Amino acid sequence: EAQVTQNPRYLITVTGKKLTVTCSQNMNHEYMSWYRQDPGLGLRQIYYSMNVEVTDKGDVPEGYKVSRKEKRNFPLILESPSPNQTSLYFCASRTDRGSEAFFGQGTRLTVV
Amino acid sequence: GNSVTQMEGPVTLSEEAFLTINCTYTATGYPSLFWYVQYPGEGLQLLLKATKADDKGSNKGFEATYRKETTSFHLEKGSVQVSDSAVYFCALRNNAGNMLTFGGGTRLMVKP
Repeated sequence: EAQVTQNPRYLITVTGKKLTVTCSQNMNHEYMSWYRQDPGLGLRQIYYSMNVEVTDKGDVPEGYKVSRKEKRNFPLILESPSPNQTSLYFCASRTDRGSEAFFGQGTRLTVV
Repeated sequence: GNSVTQMEGPVTLSEEAFLTINCTYTATGYPSLFWYVQYPGEGLQLLLKATKADDKGSNKGFEATYRKETTSFHLEKGSVQVSDSAVYFCALRNNAGNMLTFGGGTRLMVKP
């Protein structure tokens, strides 16, 4: 089954404690992205990757890092989480510029 | 930069009522336009899309027409069902294909 898998689904952490949210896709897609979803703001793109070792900033990259060492994986790293990063995070992938994006089920992160 | 504005919700309708969710956009060039749907606890799923002016996207009884003259992509359905209750997001993808910009989302609640 074609899917985008994020882990964990729920996470509560403390300010300053480094964390990683993993994202994996099994569709051999080139493009992968991370979004955060906040009430009234829709989804905002954090980072995206067009292929292995190719990443770029989206609209709200501050406080986040990503890496793309393998085609299927695109982890999101918060080196020093802060409460304003409490949000619902989605990973997405697609095969090329013209195609539909497939989304993971989301990771609800709370930073206290 | 690009932006998408959609009507705030929640929109509450009775079953079999007519639905319109307004969406307007600001973008340079010729973006592609999308409607995504998010059911409770799930990620976003593509509902329909249109890639050029005057294209009509349709799926599951939903329709939207790409109107370049009014920079709009309003979502319509003739007769909603309880199962249509979800959050709907309008989105555009830029010419380069690397950025998806979302509206704030509109929650639809359909009552029996």
